Amino acid sequence: GIQVEQSPPDLILQEGANSTLRCNFSDSVNNLQWFHQNPWGQLINLFYIPSGTKQNGRLSATTVATERYSLLYISSSQTTDSGVYFCAVARGSGNTGKLIFGQGTTLQVKP
Amino acid sequence: KAGVTQTPRYLIKTRGQQVTLSCSPISGHRSVSWYQQTPGQGLQFLFEYFSETQRNKGNFPGRFSGRQFSNSRSEMNVSTLELGDSALYLCASGKGLESEQFFGPGTRLTVL
Repeated sequence: GIQVEQSPPDLILQEGANSTLRCNFSDSVNNLQWFHQNPWGQLINLFYIPSGTKQNGRLSATTVATERYSLLYISSSQTTDSGVYFCAVARGSGNTGKLIFGQGTTLQVKP
Repeated sequence: KAGVTQTPRYLIKTRGQQVTLSCSPISGHRSVSWYQQTPGQGLQFLFEYFSETQRNKGNFPGRFSGRQFSNSRSEMNVSTLELGDSALYLCASGKGLESEQFFGPGTRLTVL
């Protein structure tokens, strides 16, 4: 099956710093999503980005499907950005949307 | 538009009991998937339903089962609970099988 690797596993930043989180996947996909898991465990949708670039405020994401990686950029980080960020992909054979998750990047933003 | 809802939010059971978790998808969504999250194994796929049919199943024992109703609501059942079943169970819904998935707040199950 598809392997999803996220890096770095842990990241500590000072408030105001920028960061880049990476997601590598081992096969072609037709769905890629980035999530932020809040302290209560809910996965919050950040981006649905099987290819291309999207931006939403201080966050942006780029997926280069041909090279099998995606990047999540966080600019001017805030303490509320702390938490675990997950990348998830779906192989998409036409009859399943099963998401395969990476192990996550734990981000801590210090004031 | 209301998001995905899951009930109950917290549950404490003892070994050997069974449990039923419920998930109501976003209105208009027809696919529902279930995931288990544990510190050791991360997020793992349990099963996926579309139009009341199970379309895919993860690598879990037969004690884990589920179903989807005609209104797209879904339930999952775990019988003969084991300590290792303690986890956060997350439900996701989507318009279709390959569309963007949206997650509910989860049910945190503790097995004593």
